[in-house]
Amino acid sequence: EIVVTQSPATLSVSPGERATLSCRASQSVGSNLAWYQQKPGQAPRLLIYGASTRATDIPARFSGSGSGTEFTLTISSLQSGDFAVYYCQQFNKWPPAFGQGTRLEN
Amino acid sequence: QVTLKESGPVLVKPTETLTLTCTVSGFSLGNVRMGVAWIRQPPGKALEWLAHIFSNDEKSYTTSLRRRLTISKDTSKSQVVLIVTNMDPVDTATYYCARTKIVPAAGTYYYGMDVWGQGTTVTVSS
Repeated sequence: EIVVTQSPATLSVSPGERATLSCRASQSVGSNLAWYQQKPGQAPRLLIYGASTRATDIPARFSGSGSGTEFTLTISSLQSGDFAVYYCQQFNKWPPAFGQGTRLEN
Repeated sequence: QVTLKESGPVLVKPTETLTLTCTVSGFSLGNVRMGVAWIRQPPGKALEWLAHIFSNDEKSYTTSLRRRLTISKDTSKSQVVLIVTNMDPVDTATYYCARTKIVPAAGTYYYGMDVWGQGTTVTVSS
Protein backbone atom coordinates (compact mmCIF):
# COMPACT_ATOMS: atom_id res chain seq x y z
CA GLU A 1 0.00 0.00 0.00
CA ILE A 2 1.33 3.44 -0.94
CA VAL A 3 1.76 5.92 1.91
CA VAL A 4 1.38 9.62 1.13
CA THR A 5 3.10 12.19 3.35
CA GLN A 6 2.42 15.92 3.26
CA SER A 7 4.64 18.69 4.55
CA PRO A 8 4.60 20.92 6.38
CA ALA A 9 1.69 20.11 8.68
CA THR A 10 1.00 23.83 9.05
CA LEU A 11 2.15 26.64 6.79
CA SER A 12 1.86 30.28 7.78
CA VAL A 13 1.70 32.67 4.85
CA SER A 14 0.39 36.20 4.40
CA PRO A 15 -2.20 37.26 1.84
CA GLY A 16 -0.56 38.16 -1.46
CA GLU A 17 2.37 35.80 -0.86
CA ARG A 18 3.07 32.47 -2.54
CA ALA A 19 2.42 29.16 -0.78
CA THR A 20 4.21 25.94 -1.64
CA LEU A 21 2.82 22.68 -0.28
CA SER A 22 4.57 19.32 -0.66
CA CYS A 23 3.34 15.77 -1.05
CA ARG A 24 5.56 12.70 -1.13
CA ALA A 25 4.57 9.14 -2.04
CA SER A 26 6.32 6.07 -0.64
CA GLN A 27 6.70 4.70 -4.18
CA SER A 28 6.19 6.10 -7.64
CA VAL A 29 2.64 7.10 -8.53
CA GLY A 30 3.52 8.48 -11.95
CA SER A 31 1.38 11.58 -12.38
CA ASN A 32 -1.69 10.05 -10.76
CA LEU A 33 -2.07 12.51 -7.92
CA ALA A 34 -4.90 14.84 -6.96
CA TRP A 35 -5.11 17.83 -4.64
CA TYR A 36 -8.13 18.99 -2.63
CA GLN A 37 -9.01 22.04 -0.57
CA GLN A 38 -11.20 21.77 2.50
CA LYS A 39 -12.58 24.73 4.41
CA PRO A 40 -14.08 24.35 7.92
CA GLY A 41 -17.51 22.75 7.89
CA GLN A 42 -17.39 22.06 4.16
CA ALA A 43 -16.78 19.06 1.97
CA PRO A 44 -13.44 18.97 0.14
CA ARG A 45 -13.13 20.48 -3.32
CA LEU A 46 -11.05 19.00 -6.11
CA LEU A 47 -8.32 21.40 -7.25
CA ILE A 48 -5.91 19.35 -9.34
CA TYR A 49 -5.86 15.88 -10.89
CA GLY A 50 -3.22 14.15 -12.96
CA ALA A 51 -0.66 16.07 -10.85
CA SER A 52 -1.04 19.27 -12.88
CA THR A 53 -4.48 19.57 -14.50
CA ARG A 54 -6.78 22.09 -12.84
CA ALA A 55 -10.30 20.91 -12.18
CA THR A 56 -13.30 22.81 -13.51
CA ASP A 57 -13.55 26.43 -12.33
CA ILE A 58 -10.31 26.32 -10.35
CA PRO A 59 -8.42 29.64 -10.63
CA ALA A 60 -5.09 29.75 -12.39
CA ARG A 61 -3.31 30.79 -9.19
CA PHE A 62 -3.51 27.12 -8.17
CA SER A 63 -0.92 24.99 -9.93
CA GLY A 64 0.33 21.46 -9.44
CA SER A 65 3.63 19.95 -10.46
CA GLY A 66 5.76 16.87 -9.97
CA SER A 67 5.80 13.21 -10.89
CA GLY A 68 7.00 9.95 -9.44
CA THR A 69 7.22 10.47 -5.69
CA GLU A 70 7.50 14.24 -5.24
CA PHE A 71 4.68 16.69 -5.87
CA THR A 72 4.00 20.34 -5.19
CA LEU A 73 0.88 22.46 -5.00
CA THR A 74 1.64 26.14 -5.48
CA ILE A 75 -0.80 28.92 -4.73
CA SER A 76 0.47 32.17 -6.11
CA SER A 77 -0.69 35.39 -4.50
CA LEU A 78 -2.80 34.00 -1.66
CA GLN A 79 -6.28 35.34 -1.18
CA SER A 80 -8.25 35.30 2.08
CA GLY A 81 -10.45 32.44 0.85
CA ASP A 82 -7.42 30.22 0.26
CA PHE A 83 -6.73 29.65 3.95
CA ALA A 84 -7.86 26.07 4.43
CA VAL A 85 -6.58 22.52 4.75
CA TYR A 86 -5.12 20.92 1.63
CA TYR A 87 -4.94 17.20 0.96
CA CYS A 88 -3.19 15.21 -1.72
CA GLN A 89 -4.30 11.74 -2.83
CA GLN A 90 -2.56 9.17 -5.00
CA PHE A 91 -4.53 7.07 -7.46
CA ASN A 92 -1.78 5.10 -9.17
CA LYS A 93 -2.15 2.03 -7.02
CA TRP A 94 -5.47 1.21 -5.43
CA PRO A 95 -6.67 1.63 -2.76
CA PRO A 96 -5.97 5.33 -3.14
CA ALA A 97 -4.70 7.09 -0.03
CA PHE A 98 -4.89 10.63 1.24
CA GLY A 99 -2.05 12.48 2.87
CA GLN A 100 -2.57 13.86 6.36
CA GLY A 101 -3.13 17.37 5.12
CA THR A 102 -1.42 20.76 5.30
CA ARG A 103 -3.17 23.55 7.14
CA LEU A 104 -2.58 26.88 5.42
CA GLU A 105 -2.98 29.72 7.87
CA ASN A 106 -2.57 33.46 7.89
CA GLN B 1 -26.45 19.78 -12.13
CA VAL B 2 -24.57 16.94 -10.48
CA THR B 3 -25.38 16.29 -6.84
CA LEU B 4 -24.75 13.58 -4.28
CA LYS B 5 -26.57 13.28 -0.99
CA GLU B 6 -25.77 10.98 1.91
CA SER B 7 -28.42 9.57 4.20
CA GLY B 8 -28.40 7.24 7.16
CA PRO B 9 -28.63 7.12 10.94
CA VAL B 10 -27.13 9.87 13.04
CA LEU B 11 -26.48 7.61 16.01
CA VAL B 12 -25.54 3.95 16.18
CA LYS B 13 -24.58 1.75 19.11
CA PRO B 14 -21.28 -0.10 19.40
CA THR B 15 -21.30 -3.46 17.57
CA GLU B 16 -24.23 -2.38 15.38
CA THR B 17 -24.11 -2.26 11.58
CA LEU B 18 -24.19 1.10 9.81
CA THR B 19 -25.91 1.42 6.45
CA LEU B 20 -25.37 4.64 4.50
CA THR B 21 -26.98 5.54 1.19
CA CYS B 22 -25.65 7.97 -1.39
CA THR B 23 -28.29 9.19 -3.83
CA VAL B 24 -26.87 10.77 -6.95
CA SER B 25 -28.39 12.95 -9.64
CA GLY B 26 -27.15 14.55 -12.82
CA PHE B 27 -25.14 11.54 -13.92
CA SER B 28 -25.56 7.80 -14.30
CA LEU B 29 -23.88 5.17 -12.17
CA GLY B 30 -23.51 3.28 -15.44
CA ASN B 31 -21.21 5.91 -16.94
CA VAL B 32 -17.84 4.24 -17.54
CA ARG B 33 -15.99 7.50 -16.89
CA MET B 34 -17.38 7.79 -13.39
CA GLY B 35 -17.44 5.96 -10.09
CA VAL B 36 -18.53 6.69 -6.54
CA ALA B 37 -16.39 6.62 -3.42
CA TRP B 38 -17.03 6.83 0.31
CA ILE B 39 -14.70 8.86 2.47
CA ARG B 40 -14.89 9.65 6.17
CA GLN B 41 -13.41 12.25 8.47
CA PRO B 42 -13.32 11.90 12.27
CA PRO B 43 -13.77 15.18 14.11
CA GLY B 44 -10.67 17.33 13.72
CA LYS B 45 -8.82 14.67 11.76
CA ALA B 46 -7.79 13.93 8.20
CA LEU B 47 -9.81 12.44 5.37
CA GLU B 48 -9.86 8.65 5.13
CA TRP B 49 -10.81 6.96 1.83
CA LEU B 50 -12.98 3.92 2.50
CA ALA B 51 -14.36 2.30 -0.62
CA HIS B 52 -15.17 2.77 -4.31
CA ILE B 53 -17.43 1.22 -6.90
CA PHE B 54 -17.00 1.48 -10.65
CA SER B 55 -19.68 1.40 -13.33
CA ASN B 56 -18.91 -2.26 -14.08
CA ASP B 57 -19.49 -3.08 -10.39
CA GLU B 58 -15.78 -3.52 -9.66
CA LYS B 59 -15.12 -2.61 -6.03
CA SER B 60 -12.13 -1.44 -4.03
CA TYR B 61 -11.72 -1.13 -0.26
CA THR B 62 -9.24 0.38 2.11
CA THR B 63 -7.01 -2.37 3.49
CA SER B 64 -7.44 -1.57 7.17
CA LEU B 65 -11.25 -1.84 7.11
CA ARG B 66 -11.77 -4.30 4.28
CA ARG B 67 -13.40 -6.98 6.42
CA ARG B 68 -16.01 -4.58 7.76
CA LEU B 69 -17.01 -2.75 4.57
CA THR B 70 -19.38 -3.60 1.75
CA ILE B 71 -20.17 -1.24 -1.10
CA SER B 72 -22.90 -1.79 -3.67
CA LYS B 73 -24.97 0.15 -6.14
CA ASP B 74 -28.40 0.18 -7.71
CA THR B 75 -28.02 1.96 -11.02
CA SER B 76 -31.77 2.14 -11.62
CA LYS B 77 -32.26 3.94 -8.30
CA SER B 78 -29.08 6.05 -8.66
CA GLN B 79 -27.96 4.90 -5.24
CA VAL B 80 -24.71 3.65 -3.76
CA VAL B 81 -24.81 1.91 -0.40
CA LEU B 82 -22.01 1.47 2.13
CA ILE B 83 -22.36 -1.03 4.94
CA VAL B 84 -19.99 -0.90 7.90
CA THR B 85 -20.26 -3.74 10.38
CA ASN B 86 -19.30 -3.89 14.05
CA MET B 87 -19.29 -0.14 14.62
CA ASP B 88 -17.04 1.28 17.33
CA PRO B 89 -16.77 4.74 18.89
CA VAL B 90 -13.60 5.31 16.82
CA ASP B 91 -15.84 5.12 13.73
CA THR B 92 -17.53 8.37 14.78
CA ALA B 93 -17.04 10.66 11.79
CA THR B 94 -18.58 12.63 8.98
CA TYR B 95 -19.13 10.26 6.09
CA TYR B 96 -18.99 11.64 2.56
CA CYS B 97 -19.77 10.14 -0.79
CA ALA B 98 -18.09 11.61 -3.85
CA ARG B 99 -18.10 11.11 -7.59
CA THR B 100 -14.81 9.92 -9.03
CA LYS B 101 -14.05 11.29 -12.45
CA ILE B 102 -12.02 8.94 -14.64
CA VAL B 103 -9.98 10.67 -17.36
CA PRO B 104 -8.09 8.67 -20.00
CA ALA B 105 -4.55 10.00 -20.45
CA ALA B 106 -1.54 8.63 -22.35
CA GLY B 107 -2.11 4.94 -21.77
CA THR B 108 -3.49 5.29 -18.27
CA TYR B 109 -6.35 6.87 -16.38
CA TYR B 110 -6.30 9.84 -14.05
CA TYR B 111 -8.79 10.09 -11.23
CA GLY B 112 -10.18 12.83 -9.06
CA MET B 113 -13.21 13.11 -6.78
CA ASP B 114 -14.83 16.09 -8.43
CA VAL B 115 -18.27 16.33 -6.80
CA TRP B 116 -18.93 15.65 -3.13
CA GLY B 117 -21.98 15.27 -1.01
CA GLN B 118 -22.47 17.51 2.00
CA GLY B 119 -21.58 14.68 4.36
CA THR B 120 -23.52 12.98 7.12
CA THR B 121 -22.32 12.84 10.70
CA VAL B 122 -22.46 9.48 12.43
CA THR B 123 -21.86 9.10 16.15
CA VAL B 124 -21.18 5.74 17.72
CA SER B 125 -22.23 5.65 21.35
CA SER B 126 -24.18 3.48 23.71
